[in-house]
Amino acid sequence: QLVESGGDLVQPGESLRLSCAVSGFNVNGRYVGWVRQAPGKGLEWVSILYSGDSAYYADSVKGRFTVSRDISKNTVDLQMNSLRAEDTAVYYCARVMSYYFCEDWGQGTLVTVSS
Amino acid sequence: QSALTQPASVSGSRGQSITISCTGTSSDVGGYNVVSWYQQHPGNAPKLIIYQVNRRPSGVSDRFSGSKSGNTASLTISGLQSDDAADYYCCTWAGGGSLVFGTGTKVTVL
Repeated sequence: QLVESGGDLVQPGESLRLSCAVSGFNVNGRYVGWVRQAPGKGLEWVSILYSGDSAYYADSVKGRFTVSRDISKNTVDLQMNSLRAEDTAVYYCARVMSYYFCEDWGQGTLVTVSS
Repeated sequence: QSALTQPASVSGSRGQSITISCTGTSSDVGGYNVVSWYQQHPGNAPKLIIYQVNRRPSGVSDRFSGSKSGNTASLTISGLQSDDAADYYCCTWAGGGSLVFGTGTKVTVL
């Protein structure tokens, strides 16, 4: 099971940290990804945390977002800096299996960037 | 990485079969047998219905089937039911650590 938290209304340029609390598997050595969905739009990959510290970032968030795991809490966090209006979306975390499909998804957390 | 191309909408009558296409390139869809498909009802998280092109997770109806030919993957829903009305997305590995979704298809059951 995956449960996201941390979504909020923030102003452009501000920061926000999302957390994905995982139960049922250990985040250490597992792949966990963040997917977002802007209002009325499709799904978009944001970041994927692979084993070790290897991570993928979409071009649209590279340099602004950082994904990390907290083994002690069994969470995967997404630090989002310099937020823009276009980052407004529901953010989902998902378990990415070894053949690159998402078996489990969280319920999503809403991030709204607006002045 | 550009999104994979799906038709914006597909419709069918109850009991009929429909097919949703997902077109990419030899660098994504055509290059790897890891296409997955997701169903999303409004207000809900996506749900995995097909993985590795044509495999179904436990609990998913056998009315859902997947295939791939060249750079195009397809999802077929047979015996269309009212609950199949939803948005559907394909997804695949695109190399360099990246995954890419399709543009999404809205299925309407007439």
